[in-house]
Amino acid sequence: AQSVTQPDIHITVSEGASLELRCNYSYGATPYLFWYVQSPGQGLQLLLKYFSGDTLVQGIKGFEAEFKRSQSSFNLRKPSVHWSDAAEYFCAVGFDRGSTLGRLYFGRGTQLTVWP
Amino acid sequence: GAVVSQHPSRVICKSGTSVKIECRSLDFQATTMFWYRQFPKKSLMLMATSNEGSKATYEQGVEKDKFLINHASLTLSTLTVTSAHPEDSSFYICSALEGGGNEQFFGPGTRLTVL
Repeated sequence: AQSVTQPDIHITVSEGASLELRCNYSYGATPYLFWYVQSPGQGLQLLLKYFSGDTLVQGIKGFEAEFKRSQSSFNLRKPSVHWSDAAEYFCAVGFDRGSTLGRLYFGRGTQLTVWP
Repeated sequence: GAVVSQHPSRVICKSGTSVKIECRSLDFQATTMFWYRQFPKKSLMLMATSNEGSKATYEQGVEKDKFLINHASLTLSTLTVTSAHPEDSSFYICSALEGGGNEQFFGPGTRLTVL
């Protein structure tokens, strides 16, 4: 069965520090991979996505993520965190349903707190 | 980018009443829409997948008679919570997928509170 694991429920970093949020998945084929960010009471905003090709993908707001097939991981990174990055981050995995994306499986989320 | 709206953004209703939530794709045609439910500090739980013009496919454990989904056009899907109870209080989020697309676009969510 497909599953997505975000092992860190809550991470606290100081502003300006680097950040890495972990995501591992269990799936039989190469999935589509996504990172979303959610501010309180808001919907989801796509940070970045991986479908194929270069395993290091760049996203919005200075985020990047690296797909490592051997580790079934898609960790999100940012070299210098800003206070406005404080939010909930979700990793999601999808698969190809013919030529269309099928359903998404979400991790439980990682809450990021940024200290000034 | 593609925009998905939800209406209302927030609704409070009495127990036993029905509530309808709309999800619209504003600048593209969505052949598939998804409805999610999110509990506080929890992940998104897929409730159902709806394809335009056909019946929705519900996830295991989701009551289809309680959560009625209608995807009558390529730009509109509705979720009706029938005979709502306090335990139905939650944050409901929809997403839309363009035909042949590989990215879901999410609405801003609807906060439902049942008194």
